[in-house]
Amino acid sequence: SQKIEQNSEALNIQEGKTATLTCNYTNYSPAYLQWYRQDPGRGPVFLLLIRENEKEKRKERLKVTFDTTLKQSLFHITASQPADSATYLCALAEDNQGGKLIFGQGTELSVKP
Amino acid sequence: GAGVSQSPSNKVTEKGKDVELRCDPISGHTALYWYRQSLGQGLEFLIYFQGNSAPDKSGLPSDRFSAERTGGSVSTLTIQRTQQEDSAVYLCATRGTSTDTQYFGPGTRLTVL
Repeated sequence: SQKIEQNSEALNIQEGKTATLTCNYTNYSPAYLQWYRQDPGRGPVFLLLIRENEKEKRKERLKVTFDTTLKQSLFHITASQPADSATYLCALAEDNQGGKLIFGQGTELSVKP
Repeated sequence: GAGVSQSPSNKVTEKGKDVELRCDPISGHTALYWYRQSLGQGLEFLIYFQGNSAPDKSGLPSDRFSAERTGGSVSTLTIQRTQQEDSAVYLCATRGTSTDTQYFGPGTRLTVL
């Protein structure tokens, strides 16, 4: 069956450390993956997109990798801050036609001062 | 405002009643999506509109769910004869023509008693 799974446990880290979140998928061949941030009571906010032919993307303190052999994307936040505390969602698209996104269940990140 | 707006923000209804949820997209965005998010779960795709094309209804969970998009702008998601398992946050997202990024509204929290 097709699955997309993220770290099932909440992630607690100390301020200043690097947070690494995992997204694994099964029986999909994504055209691209996206990462979103969601705060309580709010809609998701887009962070980064990485395509199937890309290995790594960076934006400020954020980095995402995409390994199509391992069927995995890693999302890193360096020099984490308490303001980074939120739920992070990964989502994949099966094609480049702009259709639906398939989301993981999210990982809750808590950064302690 | 410039973002996606949804109304109402909260809706409490009795089992068996019909509800309508509204989404106002970002101006000029031709693609519009509905997702729902149950407590502690990832986003589940419901339906996708793209311009004048026939909508992708593949995510609608039953024939009690329907959606319209009038004039390529505002969209309404209708749930008939609501059930308790319909309780969730219903999120609308829109996308412009030259991007794969989806912009989400704040959602409507539906509670079916």
